[in-house]
Amino acid sequence: GQQLNQSPQSMFIQEGEDVSMNCTSSSIFNTWLWYKQDPGEGPVLLIALYKAGELTSNGRLTAQFGITRKDSFLNISASIPSDVGIYFCAGSNDYKLSFGAGTTVTVRA
Amino acid sequence: DTGVSQDPRHKITKRGQNVTFRCDPISEHNRLYWYRQTLGQGPEFLTYFQNEAQLEKSRLLSDRFSAERPKGSFSTLEIQRTEQGDSAMYLCASSLGPASTGELFFGEGSRLTVL
Repeated sequence: GQQLNQSPQSMFIQEGEDVSMNCTSSSIFNTWLWYKQDPGEGPVLLIALYKAGELTSNGRLTAQFGITRKDSFLNISASIPSDVGIYFCAGSNDYKLSFGAGTTVTVRA
Repeated sequence: DTGVSQDPRHKITKRGQNVTFRCDPISEHNRLYWYRQTLGQGPEFLTYFQNEAQLEKSRLLSDRFSAERPKGSFSTLEIQRTEQGDSAMYLCASSLGPASTGELFFGEGSRLTVL
C-alpha cells in the first residue's frame, strides 16, 4: 500500500492562482520527487530533491525537501490551463519509488 | 522516439485468460522496473531488474505474475489466469542509475481490463 500521505486529494483553482500541495511520510527518504501524470500517460518527472532542507525551482514550480526528510511540498505559481493533471509525490532510498495517491488539479479558465 | 515504449497500450481480456505485456526501455538503461497503478492511486512497485537479473519482487506480485528480461534489454510481464482485480495500468520504467537519483523514465503504460 501507499506509504505517503498526499494532500489535498483534489483542487479547483482559478487561472493565475498559486497552488500548493504537500506530502508526508512515516518513513525517512533520501530523495523526494514530484511527478505529473496526464490522462492515459505515464508519470513525468517535474522536480527531484536530494538534500534535507533543499528548495528547488523548475520554471513556475518550486519544491522543498523537508528538514525531517519525512515531508515535501510543491508550489505552482501563476497556474495556467496546461497545469491540469494529477501530481504525485514519491520518495526513494534505493531501487524503488513509493508514491502518494496524487493531487488532482483542475484549472478554471 | 527514444523513450520507454510499452505494448500493447490497451488490452481487454476475459477472466481466466493469460496476458503478456512488453516493455522496451531506453537503450542504454540497464535498470528496468514494473509498476501497477489502479484508478485513483499512485503507481505501486512490482519488480526490478538490473540487466537480466530480477533483483526484487514486491509481495503484490503473486505467483500468477511473472516478469522476465532475458537479454537485459526488453522485458515481459505475464499474468496467468487473470482476475478482475488485475485490471489496472501496468507501467514500465527504466533508468541508468538507481531510482533514487530521480533519473527514472516511465513509459505510457499498458492498460488491462479484465471482464
